[in-house]
Amino acid sequence: QKEVEQNSGPLSVPEGAIASLNCTYSDRGSQSFFWYRQYSGKSPELIMSIYSNGDKEDGRFTAQLNKASQYVSLLIRDSQPSDSATYLCAVISGAGSYQLTFGKGTKLSVIP
Amino acid sequence: KAGVTQTPRYLIKTRGQQVTLSCSPISGHRSVSWYQQTPGQGLQFLFEYFSETQRNKGNFPGRFSGRQFSNSRSEMNVSTLELGDSALYLCASRRSGDYADTQYFGPGTRLTVL
Repeated sequence: QKEVEQNSGPLSVPEGAIASLNCTYSDRGSQSFFWYRQYSGKSPELIMSIYSNGDKEDGRFTAQLNKASQYVSLLIRDSQPSDSATYLCAVISGAGSYQLTFGKGTKLSVIP
Repeated sequence: KAGVTQTPRYLIKTRGQQVTLSCSPISGHRSVSWYQQTPGQGLQFLFEYFSETQRNKGNFPGRFSGRQFSNSRSEMNVSTLELGDSALYLCASRRSGDYADTQYFGPGTRLTVL
């Protein structure tokens, strides 16, 4: 059973701080990694994708991937109250597989 | 460009009934995936269709089925509904069969089974 684990939170950070969200996955053959944001009552929206080891930055968001440790993280710099949402880590295992396996999400609360 | 649309948005059924949910992908998108989201299990993959063919299936019983039409619109069907089928059902589309393509989610159908 391929698993994706996240700390459910809630994770509370003050406005302007860095929020750090973590995710581990069980399938060592996993190839593609995604972070989705889901506001309460809304559907998930993709905010970052990462495919190779290292960091990938997009605005205030940085995704980090370490395949050896089977670990992927998302950093949100200068956190804003509008970043308050549930963040879902998702993994596609192996080339030729199109199935996204999601973690259960980490609820982030940014305190003004 | 219009997003992914799902109908109906809300549905109430009773145990033993069956239900059909509909999804219209973004124009030009050929891949449609279905997910079930519950508070306890999170987002779980049901199946994916690409060019009218089921390409992947998640770990759900045979009561859950789907299909895709030539215009890429998709339907999923749940027969003999159980209380545990109450969930938000999400449809997502992507442009091609490339797994790296972004998946765009629809607003979901909230199914309540009484």
